[in-house]
Amino acid sequence: GAVVSQHPSWVICKSGTSVKIECRSLDFQATTMFWYRQFPKQSLMLMATSNEGSKATYEQGVEKDKFLINHASLTLSTLTVTSAHPEDSSFYICSAPVGLAGGIPLQETQYFGPGTRLLVL
Amino acid sequence: DQQVKQNSPSLSVQEGRISILNCDYTNSMFDYFLWYKKYPAEGPTFLISISSIKDKNEDGRFTVFLNKSAKHLSLHIVPSQPGDSAVYFCAASASDKLIFGTGTRLQVFP
Repeated sequence: GAVVSQHPSWVICKSGTSVKIECRSLDFQATTMFWYRQFPKQSLMLMATSNEGSKATYEQGVEKDKFLINHASLTLSTLTVTSAHPEDSSFYICSAPVGLAGGIPLQETQYFGPGTRLLVL
Repeated sequence: DQQVKQNSPSLSVQEGRISILNCDYTNSMFDYFLWYKKYPAEGPTFLISISSIKDKNEDGRFTVFLNKSAKHLSLHIVPSQPGDSAVYFCAASASDKLIFGTGTRLQVFP
């Protein structure tokens, strides 16, 4: 099946530094990728939709200058947490839809990466 | 404002018995519902889904029921197996975006 990878799997950084997280679709092209974050014992919250060749679409309440998204190619989207603070510590997951195939709804074909755990000290 | 809710954070079931995971939603515009299974340190994997025009969908040991009037869906796993132990998320969609519940940790014991 389709595979989505994330790098790094975990990262610890000092407050004030920037952290880049990569999301790659390994065996398919994705014009759209989604970025989620999950706090402990809470749901996955959609942060933004990454669009190849155009600006990302951010959900309400998500600071676009804080969470920079770049979808530079059909297989790579990056999320950069700028000037990270301890409250940014979270589990960040990306997903990429394979796309419509045989009438399968798009939602079913979203493949998730393994996630990146960020700890800001 | 949590549009998709899973009120039971955990559930413990004996192997061989039925596991029932519940999910409630508030937005009547949702037209597609999905269940995901998640192991620690891994991303969620798709399990089963149901369209709002249906009230039941079955796939092997997994059955999802949808009660639109109650804005409620449930996932039944029967018989439950130890390998089913994981966190289960329900998700709802009105477009390509997924809105997730908070998850229910299922533990199936021998």
